[in-house]
Amino acid sequence: GNSVTQMEGPVTLSEEAFLTINCTYTATGYPSLFWYVQYPGEGLQLLLKATKADDKGSNKGFEATYRKETTSFHLEKGSVQVSDSAVYFCALRENTGTASKLTFGTGTRLQVTL
Amino acid sequence: EAGVVQSPRYKIIEKKQPVAFWCNPISGHNTLYWYLQNLGQGPELLIRYENEEAVDDSQLPKDRFSAERLKGVDSTLKIQPAELGDSAVYLCASSLGASSYNEQFFGPGTRLTVL
Repeated sequence: GNSVTQMEGPVTLSEEAFLTINCTYTATGYPSLFWYVQYPGEGLQLLLKATKADDKGSNKGFEATYRKETTSFHLEKGSVQVSDSAVYFCALRENTGTASKLTFGTGTRLQVTL
Repeated sequence: EAGVVQSPRYKIIEKKQPVAFWCNPISGHNTLYWYLQNLGQGPELLIRYENEEAVDDSQLPKDRFSAERLKGVDSTLKIQPAELGDSAVYLCASSLGASSYNEQFFGPGTRLTVL
């Protein structure tokens, strides 16, 4: 079956530090890959996505590249801000055309301090 | 445009009591999802609706959980009777359609505590 493994948190960084949150996946086909963010008290929001190998998703200074050879989709940001403090979820979805089931990782909590 | 609305946001009940959660999806979204999110875990799909039809309920514990989407818009998820292990966040999401190319939009969730 499909699965997503992401690094455990919490990750604590000082403002303007470089961020990497590792994510690897196992899938039977060729999935689309996603990063969702969950701010305190809010629902999950799509942060970025990539639908095929070597695609790079980017949004709000965050980037992730779909690496088929290493089955990875690591999230990076060059300079984090206090407002980036949230829980980040890596997820995959099979591109079957009809089924739209998301498989999530366990989430990584990011805490950014001044 | 309003997002996915869920109520209540928080619910505390004693075990063996019934509980119901309500979800109003984004207008025009035909596909509706209920997810279960345990503490420290990612969401897991419970059930997916296409309009009023439940097309994927394989992960729904049918002995105590039920769901409905009578008019293909709002949906209700019910637990009867609730158990201690049901304490979790219940998320509702919606999308334009079931295609894997349609983004899912999530509501804020209902946090259930069973005492």
